[in-house]
Amino acid sequence: LAKTTQPISMDSYEGQEVNITCSHNNIATNDYITWYQQFPSQGPRFIIQGYKTKVTNEVASLFIPADRKSSTLSLPRVSLSDTAVYYCLVGALFSGGYNKLIFGAGTRLAVHP
Amino acid sequence: SQTIHQWPATLVQPVGSPLSLECTVEGTSNPNLYWYRQAAGRGLQLLFYSVGIGQISSEVPQNLSASRPQDRQFILSSKKLLLSDSGFYLCAWSVDSKLFFGSGTQLSVL
Repeated sequence: LAKTTQPISMDSYEGQEVNITCSHNNIATNDYITWYQQFPSQGPRFIIQGYKTKVTNEVASLFIPADRKSSTLSLPRVSLSDTAVYYCLVGALFSGGYNKLIFGAGTRLAVHP
Repeated sequence: SQTIHQWPATLVQPVGSPLSLECTVEGTSNPNLYWYRQAAGRGLQLLFYSVGIGQISSEVPQNLSASRPQDRQFILSSKKLLLSDSGFYLCAWSVDSKLFFGSGTQLSVL
């Protein structure tokens, strides 16, 4: 299983773009990269998933370089409500029909007024 | 659409008492199911995962156990709780390498 490394914490201000980078040097060929957001006393919430290049949805963008050894979650124009812990996961749906997804420590993002 | 139900939301139990947390999933069949635990201020720790009825894999040796008596039901149990079992317990199911979580159970062992 690919191990992930993220910054422990980040600070930003309302209206700024925030980029959180995750390293996953031993990512496997069939692994996907998935990001989650967690607020206190709630379960993590799926944000975005990608395999390579760039993926964008209504919430965020995910940039994955060609070697796939890292990925960057980009949150445009953050607000106070984006203050949360963000997790990067790397895993795959195996041919046997299961996947085992391990969370790292996550990045605690604090957005200030 | 798929939904996941987890209960109770909070639980206070004395040391040495038994535990049973239940999780059910609706709107999908043969889901992969997971139990995670999160200690206060910490990351998520995978406890158990299941790929089918009666198929349980344990990630961390401890006094907890899991069972899957039905396709969409996942139960976390303990015969005797320890203080160190306190935490936020989350059930989840997955599809296409995406995890979807329940609302969690905050367990306090006193």
